[in-house]
Amino acid sequence: AQSVSQHNHHVILSEAASLELGCNYSYGGTVNLFWYVQYPGQHLQLLLKYFSGDPLVKGIKGFEAEFIKSKFSFNLRKPSVQWSDTAEYFCAVKTYNNNDMRFGAGTRLTVKP
Amino acid sequence: EAQVTQNPRYLITVTGKKLTVTCSQNMNHEYMSWYRQDPGLGLRQIYYSMNVEVTDKGDVPEGYKVSRKEKRNFPLILESPSPNQTSLYFCASSRTGLNTEAFFGQGTRLTVV
Repeated sequence: AQSVSQHNHHVILSEAASLELGCNYSYGGTVNLFWYVQYPGQHLQLLLKYFSGDPLVKGIKGFEAEFIKSKFSFNLRKPSVQWSDTAEYFCAVKTYNNNDMRFGAGTRLTVKP
Repeated sequence: EAQVTQNPRYLITVTGKKLTVTCSQNMNHEYMSWYRQDPGLGLRQIYYSMNVEVTDKGDVPEGYKVSRKEKRNFPLILESPSPNQTSLYFCASSRTGLNTEAFFGQGTRLTVV
């Protein structure tokens, strides 16, 4: 069965630091890739998605992610984080042969002012 | 406005008392699913539905039931809740197939005492 791995459980950064959150998946076929963000006490919101085409995708709030097919990775990046980016971030994968969306365990980001 | 609506947002109940969490979407999506979110485990799928009268088990279906009598509604039923079902629950909907994103409800925080 496909799985999604997020390497960091909790990341603590100071404001203006750069961010990279790792995500790897185990499915070898055609995939859709997503990053969702969950602010404290809120529901999941889509940050960005990759369906096809340019492997570098840009999302909301200055986030971007790069799909590297050979590494089965879809890492999330932001050059300069803000205190308001404090949240939990989930990587998710959707595969061709079903509609299931598989989630990673999540990475909690704390940004210190 | 496109949305997925869950009710209630918060619920405290006692062991064994049947409860239903409702989920409704206004986007005419075929696919709907339920997830539970637990710390360190990310989101795990409980049940999903590909269309009206078509439901199937996800990864953690034990102790839950669902029904899909209408396209817009997908209630989650706990016939006899137990404390290990204390969790944060999310309903999601999407069109079927690849190149579609999922939309999430606001979440239901359930506590079973």
